[in-house]
Amino acid sequence: EADIYQTPRYLVIGTGKKITLECSQTMGHDKMYWYQQDPGMELHLIHYSYGVNSTEKGDLSSESTVSRIRTEHFPLTLESARPSHTSQYLCASSEGEGKGTDTQYFGPGTRLTVL
Amino acid sequence: GQSLEQPSEVTAVEGAIVQINCTYQTSGFYGLSWYQQHDGGAPTFLSYNGLDGLEETGRFSSFLSRSDSYGYLLLQELQMKDSASYFCAAPNAGNMLTFGGGTRLMVKP
Repeated sequence: EADIYQTPRYLVIGTGKKITLECSQTMGHDKMYWYQQDPGMELHLIHYSYGVNSTEKGDLSSESTVSRIRTEHFPLTLESARPSHTSQYLCASSEGEGKGTDTQYFGPGTRLTVL
Repeated sequence: GQSLEQPSEVTAVEGAIVQINCTYQTSGFYGLSWYQQHDGGAPTFLSYNGLDGLEETGRFSSFLSRSDSYGYLLLQELQMKDSASYFCAAPNAGNMLTFGGGTRLMVKP
């Protein structure tokens, strides 16, 4: 059973606001990821981290930023939210061992709506 | 880069068998994973094929043919709860996953 948590689950916010989406895992995983997914669509990797103080941008360009100060915590921040940021944001983690078999465990997601 | 193609939607009846195909084009190939996602839920890992052939896990099996750049997920004895989206995914050299567009499976009574 995966232990990865995201808060808030739902967020409705006005344009221009700064927001932080929280993600925490209790499995001690080194690798963590942020994906963006529109309803019924594929997952797009926007950020990932190999460990503490390591962050990289993913395949999909995003105006968000991330930090990894502690192994268990990988928050995502939008400095100025816009309606184009409306989407579901999924956080995931994996042990980081080997290729392919490095199963990713996903959190429940944050559904963000920017008005 | 990597791209994975899946049918967008498949419909089947309860108790039947359904196959969800995935074809891929990758610059380096390390294997194929499958994830299930129910509406409003998080993706969950189903299976992984690192080598050619069939991997079986209960009612679910996954197959890979590297020579054909093709894999599939086979679901047997379909149940209503199997209605979900199914994603194939392939890791790159850094073990980052690229996901296919997902196949929405609808199981009817």
